Amino acid sequence: DIQMTQSPSTLSASVGDRVTISCRASQNVDNWLAWYQQRPGRAPKLLIYKASSLESGVPSRVSGSGSGTEFTLTISSLQPDDFATYFCQQYNSFPWTFGQGTTVEVK
Amino acid sequence: QVQLIQSGAEVKKPGASVRVSCELSGYTLSQSPIHWVRQAPGKGLEWMGGFDPQDGDIVYTHNLQGRLIMTEDTSTDTAYMELSGLTSEDTAVYYCATDLGYSSPSGSYNYGLDVWGPGTSVTVSS
Repeated sequence: DIQMTQSPSTLSASVGDRVTISCRASQNVDNWLAWYQQRPGRAPKLLIYKASSLESGVPSRVSGSGSGTEFTLTISSLQPDDFATYFCQQYNSFPWTFGQGTTVEVK
Repeated sequence: QVQLIQSGAEVKKPGASVRVSCELSGYTLSQSPIHWVRQAPGKGLEWMGGFDPQDGDIVYTHNLQGRLIMTEDTSTDTAYMELSGLTSEDTAVYYCATDLGYSSPSGSYNYGLDVWGPGTSVTVSS
């Protein structure tokens, strides 16, 4: 199985900050990588698919990059709505696997 | 508007089985395979299973094989997840999700999981 490792596990930031979350795959997943945002008590929401494609309706301050085994999610200017937990997920091969999550909290 | 409608919360005793349903509204199940993901309290997301076009069958995560069965009724566009031999470790919110960009002819996913159900809480307690 492909293991997905995110860093950091927790990130403390302020409104307006630029934040970056990393995701590393244990094997090559090409660009079959998605990022999700999850707020407490809610279902995950797709933000980025195919590593760098922005899902419809997601603000342009959110971006994704990378391919192969190294990926990054960036929020250029953190807004109040962005304090949440973020997960990466590979869908290159079965079984699909998620990273352990990164919580963005108020500094 | 496409949405996934899940059945209500369940409380089960250890050793019992649970069946959760997931109705796809506004789209066709045959064109958009359902995956199941669960989340234990305070934990991350665990992919449970979904359709593998290369296998032509549903694939399950290794640690649930033998206890998990996923089925689909295309006549009602409803998917089902049944988990048997429940323990306290199975206490979680169970989500169904799908990829509306899935291409049946090529057998390829596009978005990963772009539409999610609201989740069904399953509590296992004696």
